[in-house]
Amino acid sequence: GENVEQHPSTLSVQEGDSAVIKCTYSDSASNYFPWYKQELGKRPQLIIDIRSNVGEKKDQRIAVTLNKTAKHFSLHITETQPEDSAVYFCAAPYRDDKIIFGKGTRLHILP
Amino acid sequence: SQTIHQWPATLVQPVGSPLSLECTVEGTSNPNLYWYRQAAGRGLQLLFYSVGIGQISSEVPQNLSASRPQDRQFILSSKKLLLSDSGFYLCAWSDRLRSGGKLFFGSGTQLSVL
Repeated sequence: GENVEQHPSTLSVQEGDSAVIKCTYSDSASNYFPWYKQELGKRPQLIIDIRSNVGEKKDQRIAVTLNKTAKHFSLHITETQPEDSAVYFCAAPYRDDKIIFGKGTRLHILP
Repeated sequence: SQTIHQWPATLVQPVGSPLSLECTVEGTSNPNLYWYRQAAGRGLQLLFYSVGIGQISSEVPQNLSASRPQDRQFILSSKKLLLSDSGFYLCAWSDRLRSGGKLFFGSGTQLSVL
């Protein structure tokens, strides 16, 4: 079915360490994979995205990797900082531009 | 540039009352439009999406409905609210041709049904 599995649901890392969040999608036709960051009470904001013709994309401390064969993609945050604490969502498009989100990962950056 | 407006920001309604949330997009034409709901501390549940005027796809019919009376206007409605309708409602738009599927969200409506 149309599903995006996201793990873990909660992640705590020491400030300065790296965080990795993983998502798996089910539709092999999906070709666009975004990551959103949501702070408490606010709207989700796009932080990075990747298309199916690329295996990795980096933007300063964040990166996304895609494995089309295994149908999974991951968000990597390096040198984590307190302001990285938030909920992160992955998403994938299905037929007719239907965009399904993972259930989210609550990231806590520990001082 | 494109902007999305969603209102109201906060709403407190009694059980059994009607609902109307409105969303409009400026600066683009023929956008895809979406309504998502987020329960407290939970994920983004797709409720409805529309790829054109009068074209509404429903994911969670229940007691909610959506309409797209104009190209850049998306309305979420209910005739009788339930307690379980409480949540954070987010409207979003995308333009697959120009921005390749990126979703841009409105500021959201916090709905409390009492």
